[in-house]
Amino acid sequence: AQKITQTQPGMFVQEKEAVTLDCTYDTSDPSYGLFWYKQPSSGEMIFLIYQGSYDQQNATEGRYSLNFQKARKSANLVISASQLGDSAMYFCAMREPYSTSGTYKYIFGTGTRLKVLA
Amino acid sequence: DGGITQSPKYLFRKEGQNVTLSCEQNLNHDAMYWYRQDPGQGLRLIYYSQIVNDFQKGDIAEGYSVSREKKESFPLTVTSAQKNPTAFYLCASRTGNTEAFFGQGTRLTVV
Repeated sequence: AQKITQTQPGMFVQEKEAVTLDCTYDTSDPSYGLFWYKQPSSGEMIFLIYQGSYDQQNATEGRYSLNFQKARKSANLVISASQLGDSAMYFCAMREPYSTSGTYKYIFGTGTRLKVLA
Repeated sequence: DGGITQSPKYLFRKEGQNVTLSCEQNLNHDAMYWYRQDPGQGLRLIYYSQIVNDFQKGDIAEGYSVSREKKESFPLTVTSAQKNPTAFYLCASRTGNTEAFFGQGTRLTVV
């Protein structure tokens, strides 16, 4: 069965420094997608970045980059130049293959709470 | 602006009552989802729907029911059979193999 693991319940980072949030996944299917979402205290889930299993290059979106190591089944999120507004919960998610359920489903890790210090 | 609207934002339920959480999207997305989030935990899938008039149970469907009579709408009913309904509920939609788009969530509390 597919699984997402986030082993860091909480992280601190100094403002303007970079931080890496860990995510490992488990799947036997060669086709999958990996996502990172940010959840501020208000509760909405904000999409940050996507990596497809066949993508050759690591995904980047502004200050966010995804360090994709396929052989190790890891998809770590790197936030560069942290800002106070980055303080939030961060969830790693995987899109299950279409064939499993007749649609795409998403499974989520337990999240990492990031606190940016001034 | 296109998006997903969940209402109400806060909902209080008495013991033994059924309550319905609304989810409406104007993104023209085919697939819709309901997730439950408990404090300090990730999201768990309750129900999902790929097309109108069709929906499937997720991992924690017991005590919940849904309908999908219109493409835009996917309401979730929390029945009295759900013994621990206090949680944050998130609705999402998707088109193609892209990311899921989420609503603002409904916080349900049993009083």
